Amino acid sequence: AQSVAQPEDQVNVAEGNPLTVKCTYSVSGNPYLFWYVQYPNRGLQFLLKYITGDNLVKGSYGFEAEFNKSQTSFHLKKPSALVSDSALYFCALMTSGTYKYIFGTGTRLKVLA
Amino acid sequence: DTGVSQNPRHKITKRGQNVTFRCDPISEHNRLYWYRQTLGQGPEFLTYFQNEAQLEKSRLLSDRFSAERPKGSFSTLEIQRTEQGDSAMYLCASIETGGLSGANVLTFGAGSRLTVL
Repeated sequence: AQSVAQPEDQVNVAEGNPLTVKCTYSVSGNPYLFWYVQYPNRGLQFLLKYITGDNLVKGSYGFEAEFNKSQTSFHLKKPSALVSDSALYFCALMTSGTYKYIFGTGTRLKVLA
Repeated sequence: DTGVSQNPRHKITKRGQNVTFRCDPISEHNRLYWYRQTLGQGPEFLTYFQNEAQLEKSRLLSDRFSAERPKGSFSTLEIQRTEQGDSAMYLCASIETGGLSGANVLTFGAGSRLTVL
């Protein structure tokens, strides 16, 4: 069965420091991986995706993520955090051909000024 | 195009009442999804449609839940005999299938928050 895990409920980082939000997955086929961000009382907004190709993918607002097949991970990163990045981040997995998306439990990112 | 629209944004009801939520997806999107999200949790898959066909329904969905997409455009999610445990945010999302990669990005609506008293 396919699954997504976000091992950290919350990540705190100082403004200007690099941030990492972790995601690991389990799937039998080829994974399609996504990161979404959710601000209070808002729907989920797409940040970036990995389908195939380069393991490092770049997305919106300066975020990037690295696909690591051997470690079954897809960690979200940003070189320099902003206070406005504070939000809830979700990793999602879709197995090719199914179009069923499974979400992690989310990681709350707090960027401290 | 105004994106995915959900109505109502907030519904407060008494236990035992029926509620219905509506989702209007992006017009060219042929797949439509419903998710449920409780506070501090990730979205849980409920069901999805390819045009008007309901392709999969989660075991989370009891018999009190029903979803339709009668003409392959808008969709409704009805909850009968609501219970306090049904209190959650109900999210709708849509995608356009196809394309070289075969994988597309879900576009979410703002959600419909249900509070059952």
